[in-house]
Amino acid sequence: ILNVEQSPQSLHVQEGDSTNFTCSFPSSNFYALHWYRWETAKSPEALFVMTLNGDEKKKGRISATLNTKEGYSYLYIKGSQPEDSATYLCASTGNQFYFGTGTSLTVIP
Amino acid sequence: DTAVSQTPKYLVTQMGNDKSIKCEQNLGHDTMYWYKQDSKKFLKIMFSYNNKELIINETVPNRFSPKSPDKAHLNLHINSLELGDSAVYFCASSPPSPQTVNQETQYFGPGTRLLVL
Repeated sequence: ILNVEQSPQSLHVQEGDSTNFTCSFPSSNFYALHWYRWETAKSPEALFVMTLNGDEKKKGRISATLNTKEGYSYLYIKGSQPEDSATYLCASTGNQFYFGTGTSLTVIP
Repeated sequence: DTAVSQTPKYLVTQMGNDKSIKCEQNLGHDTMYWYKQDSKKFLKIMFSYNNKELIINETVPNRFSPKSPDKAHLNLHINSLELGDSAVYFCASSPPSPQTVNQETQYFGPGTRLLVL
């Protein structure tokens, strides 16, 4: 089983603050790293998929980086808004698709 | 248009019953999946089908049997339901991938909330 870990488990920030969280994964047998955004009572929604060491992806105020040699990815949110409140999941694919347990973000107005 | 749909959305049933959850995708994807969200909110893959063929079968009880009548459908049948089967079940699909294990982005359905009494 691939051990994908995310930290912190939960996070509360004030509206307007920037924040980031981490996804760590075994660097051996790595193929791709996915980030998903999961709002309560909805289904996970894809944000990014990254495959190459040093990859950086951006979507509006959200961006992500990937380090496959050391086995981690960061997700950044600039100027957090209340609508950013959700659980952010990462998934690493080696031989199979493994999800982390997510970081629950709450943005306080 | 709903890309990945699941029915029913909610399912409440008695222990020992047999039930099915249906999943359909209209994205033209080749690969479909079933996940179980456990009590700790963790998504665990159960099955993966590629072009109607089973490619991933994690350690799940034999009471769970996926059926794929065509590329657009992957149904989950559960026999002799137990209390521990209560969970949210998510279906997902992804476009074709050149790799043996599909690395493409997955598109999720809305989930089916199963409660076994």
